[in-house]
Amino acid sequence: KAGVTQTPRYLIKTRGQQVTLSCSPISGHRSVSWYQQTPGQGLQFLFEYFSETQRNKGNFPGRFSGRQFSNSRSEMNVSTLELGDSALYLCASSLERQADTQYFGPGTRLTVL
Amino acid sequence: ILNVEQSPQSLHVQEGDSTNFTCSFPSSNFYALHWYRWETAKSPEALFVMTLNGDEKKKGRISATLNTKEGYSYLYIKGSQPEDSATYLCAFWHPRGSSNTGKLIFGQGTTLQVKP
Repeated sequence: KAGVTQTPRYLIKTRGQQVTLSCSPISGHRSVSWYQQTPGQGLQFLFEYFSETQRNKGNFPGRFSGRQFSNSRSEMNVSTLELGDSALYLCASSLERQADTQYFGPGTRLTVL
Repeated sequence: ILNVEQSPQSLHVQEGDSTNFTCSFPSSNFYALHWYRWETAKSPEALFVMTLNGDEKKKGRISATLNTKEGYSYLYIKGSQPEDSATYLCAFWHPRGSSNTGKLIFGQGTTLQVKP
């Protein structure tokens, strides 16, 4: 079974731009979660999608948004990028709930200049 | 503010040593506790998902215990090998309403370095 895939793997943007990251979950997994990892903060939960609906959300500003498609693929968007948005963005999928085992993708490394 | 604390922050051991780490989490409203191993340049990999007080899980040389009443979990590695070098993360599932809603709160991790 193929694992979780994320594209692109690396991204360089400038302040004020927007970015879209993509995640394809493991086949059959319906829950997709997004996390931000920065050196000082560790892994922070952004949001979880299930059946094309955002089911849970972390404490991030509204510039961070996402969506899920009918095939469970998910995208995450960050608008008006700030320097502090530079981070590793990880996507994880699980069978039904975020409480289930998370299977992580390789991540997208975003650098904001 | 819900907090998940892991200790120690980092650990250096010799090959063959046994070691253990601690994860502390809120003891009220417990649902699940996750352990992940994160090797450099790889994705976090699930080790255990624990849900019952007193639960003990084992995977090869790695085992974990859970005490939900006092809010802690221990991860043990027996006879550490260089390939065990990684950051070990625990995560507490904080439910909100039903068991389907809530969020996974991660600790900062314990970074283990095993010297040959």
